[in-house]
Amino acid sequence: AQSVAQPEDQVNVAEGNPLTVKCTYSVSGNPYLFWYVQYPNRGLQFLLKYITGDNLVKGSYGFEAEFNKSQTSFHLKKPSALVSDSALYFCAVRDINNAGNMLTFGGGTRLMVKP
Amino acid sequence: EAGVTQSPTHLIKTRGQQATLRCSPISGHTSVYWYQQALGLGLQFLLWYDEGEERNRGNFPPRFSGRQFPNYSSELNVNALELEDSALYLCASSLGRRAYEQYFGPGTRLTVT
Repeated sequence: AQSVAQPEDQVNVAEGNPLTVKCTYSVSGNPYLFWYVQYPNRGLQFLLKYITGDNLVKGSYGFEAEFNKSQTSFHLKKPSALVSDSALYFCAVRDINNAGNMLTFGGGTRLMVKP
Repeated sequence: EAGVTQSPTHLIKTRGQQATLRCSPISGHTSVYWYQQALGLGLQFLLWYDEGEERNRGNFPPRFSGRQFPNYSSELNVNALELEDSALYLCASSLGRRAYEQYFGPGTRLTVT
């Protein structure tokens, strides 16, 4: 089985400050990990993924995420937040042994960036 | 390059009716996925089609069904609609069954009254 937890329903940060959105996962094998962002009344936009290799992955719009196998975490980060980053962020996992390709999503974290 | 497209944008149906939702994947993508985003339930995997075949199915009743056409577009059918089927239905596509990331469309908002 595979599962994802996003422990914070909402994260508030001031514009220009660094941001972190937390994600922990559980899989029986090795994980493929993803971050998506959803703006109001829109679908999900792919931000970045971890498949293998370097634990720090860089993605779109200046976002990055750090894979930590021992802590089973994949936190999303950005050095300097923008008001336009305000949106709903989803972490997703797929077990490498999952031949069914399904993604399991966390419950989402609403990021509010205040000017 | 055009992204994943879905139609209609909004759909209003009455309980007991049938709904048909459509999805066109990114050009060159052969896999199509359907997810349900219902209030309070989050994003849940519904179905995966690849090369015209159903490859995986989530924990949904049989009244949720679909198909994939030779041009890789897909439709999702929901029969005997119930109020709790009201949700945003998201379609995603990927380059093939071995591709990692899935690219999502804007969704179809289904409202059942």
